[in-house]
Amino acid sequence: QKEVEQNSGPLSVPEGAIASLNCTYSDRGSQSFFWYRQYSGKSPELIMFIYSNGDKEDGRFTAQLNKASQYVSLLIRDSQPSDSATYLCAAVRGEYGNKLVFGAGTILRVKS
Amino acid sequence: EPEVTQTPSHQVTQMGQEVILRCVPISNHLYFYWYRQILGQKVEFLVSFYNNEISEKSEIFDDQFSVERPDGSNFTLKIRSTKLEDSAMYFCASSDLAGGLSSYNEQFFGPGTRLTVL
Repeated sequence: QKEVEQNSGPLSVPEGAIASLNCTYSDRGSQSFFWYRQYSGKSPELIMFIYSNGDKEDGRFTAQLNKASQYVSLLIRDSQPSDSATYLCAAVRGEYGNKLVFGAGTILRVKS
Repeated sequence: EPEVTQTPSHQVTQMGQEVILRCVPISNHLYFYWYRQILGQKVEFLVSFYNNEISEKSEIFDDQFSVERPDGSNFTLKIRSTKLEDSAMYFCASSDLAGGLSSYNEQFFGPGTRLTVL
């Protein structure tokens, strides 16, 4: 069983719509998570960090964490073509909490 | 804005050769990492490094791999005898915080070195 799972997509949404990206994790010891965005051939860029159950909002982005159900999600409101990228969910793991375990990522395509 | 830099951007080598990938972390950061991403696959943790020693490593990080902080600014990943399956993008990252499972510990990623083993 993969530790962090994401639907590979692609997820296609029209410009201005809400994009919903989901991630599930298998290890209940995972306490916190990052969402990164990765453009093709580039390195991951941080979008959000979440460690508390519930929602966390930052601009057009809202991260949601449900530890009982072991899922994390990212909502992107008013999606723009520039949001087209692969979105990576990462669980913070390791003895010192310094290891990121990534999912395979979900490809998002925003059509204008 | 401070950033992690990596050189070279692209390295081509013959199977069995040694390669050294170089990284300059953000100057006040104390924790350093290497990740790799095989084309079309997920980003995978290789190793974390703090206070001049490895703090954690993955199963991928076998005896063929080593890391070093040779001076106050560089952080290197050496692959002693490259294999075809080592072809990947290698990302260096750094952070200034100690981490912890619930602590915010943003890892800043460099642009990556694409390693091609022929």
